[in-house]
Amino acid sequence: QVQLVQSGAEVKKPGASVKVSCKASGYTFTGYYIYWVRQAPGQGLEWMGWINPNSGGTNYARNFQGKVTMTRDTFITTAYMELSRLGSDDAAIYYCARGPPRGYCSGGSCYSEHWGQGTLVTVSS
Amino acid sequence: DIQMTQSPSTLSASVGDRVTITCRASQSINRWLAWYQQKPGKAPTLLIYMASSLQSGVPSRFSGSGSGTEFTLTISSLQPDDFATYYCQQYDSYPHTFGGGTKVEIK
Repeated sequence: QVQLVQSGAEVKKPGASVKVSCKASGYTFTGYYIYWVRQAPGQGLEWMGWINPNSGGTNYARNFQGKVTMTRDTFITTAYMELSRLGSDDAAIYYCARGPPRGYCSGGSCYSEHWGQGTLVTVSS
Repeated sequence: DIQMTQSPSTLSASVGDRVTITCRASQSINRWLAWYQQKPGKAPTLLIYMASSLQSGVPSRFSGSGSGTEFTLTISSLQPDDFATYYCQQYDSYPHTFGGGTKVEIK
């Protein structure tokens, strides 16, 4: 079955960077987009962008351009999300999610069908 | 960016009640809308996509409707497992914005 297993919780100092991993299994990794969504404590969901694991192409939300980098390693079927210059407002749970099979949407413009368990990022001096 | 407005933000209901949650888009998104359920401490799970298509494995008491700018999620008979927070998401244009959420509480 489809599984997305994320790396463990992180504690970072302001100004540092964090890299969260998302290990995919149970399907062809290069066949489905990976999305990243974050949720600040007690708040709603915020869409960050996607990576196409096949091409490595990305699309970042404007709010995250220059701050986020999404990459992947197809050999170990893992996607990564790196966030730089962390501030207190970056403290959140970060989720990776997989899109549906091709044909349900147009390219990367799609919903998230399967979700990872989330990674808590704490920013504290 | 397209703004997604959900109402109500909180809803108190009893087991067996029919519950309706509304999601309004600031501009037309055709039918490119998904609904998710999130329980405390858990990742969201997909309920509905393309405004009204039920995700595999989701109970039939959940249904979605609407197009353009106004959408609804209906739970026909609320069950104990349904007390959670619900989010809509548009995927018509970037960024794929979410609504603010509707928390369904026990009355």
